Amino acid sequence: GENVEQHPSTLSVQEGDSAVIKCTYSDSASNYFPWYKQELGKGPQLIIDIRSNVGEKKDQRIAVTLNKTAKHFSLHITETQPEDSAVYFCAARDDYKLSFGAGTTVTVRA
Amino acid sequence: DAMVIQNPRYQVTQFGKPVTLSCSQTLNHNVMYWYQQKSSQAPKLLFHYYDKDFNNEADTPDNFQSRRPNTSFCFLDIRSPGLGDAAMYLCATSRDRWGETQYFGPGTRLLVL
Repeated sequence: GENVEQHPSTLSVQEGDSAVIKCTYSDSASNYFPWYKQELGKGPQLIIDIRSNVGEKKDQRIAVTLNKTAKHFSLHITETQPEDSAVYFCAARDDYKLSFGAGTTVTVRA
Repeated sequence: DAMVIQNPRYQVTQFGKPVTLSCSQTLNHNVMYWYQQKSSQAPKLLFHYYDKDFNNEADTPDNFQSRRPNTSFCFLDIRSPGLGDAAMYLCATSRDRWGETQYFGPGTRLLVL
């Protein structure tokens, strides 16, 4: 099955700085890579996703890049704000199933 | 507007007392999923329904069952909850099983006393 590794496990950034989270996956057949943001006590919220036929996707302050050859993908958040503080999960889709990374706790310092 | 709704948001049960968690969706999606998420961990898939077709994950304990009486509703039944079943239970939906985004509900926090 698919194995997704996510780094770092915690990330503290100054407000206004950028945050980068990196994930690697094992199954070259995986073709869909979503990123979820989870706030305390809430369900995961999809923030951006990318499919394997695309190398980069951007939505306002959030961007995701995918390197299929190296089997890794990254989330970039620019101009971080206090409301960006949350746990972020990457995932890779293997057949019907989403395999999640272990999560990154992002803290934005004011 | 809420798209994936879970009730209750918090559930307290006693050790061994059956409990049912509810999920409904307004998206008319074909697939509904149940995940278990323990503290500081990633969500773990328990099972999913593709329309009426039930698909259990190999490592899901028999203690966990599910029902999907119609497209909109799906239930998670825990027959004899143990202390280790205390967790957040997340329902998610997707339009189809392949290549489709999963949308999560807010979750039900289960406490077992």
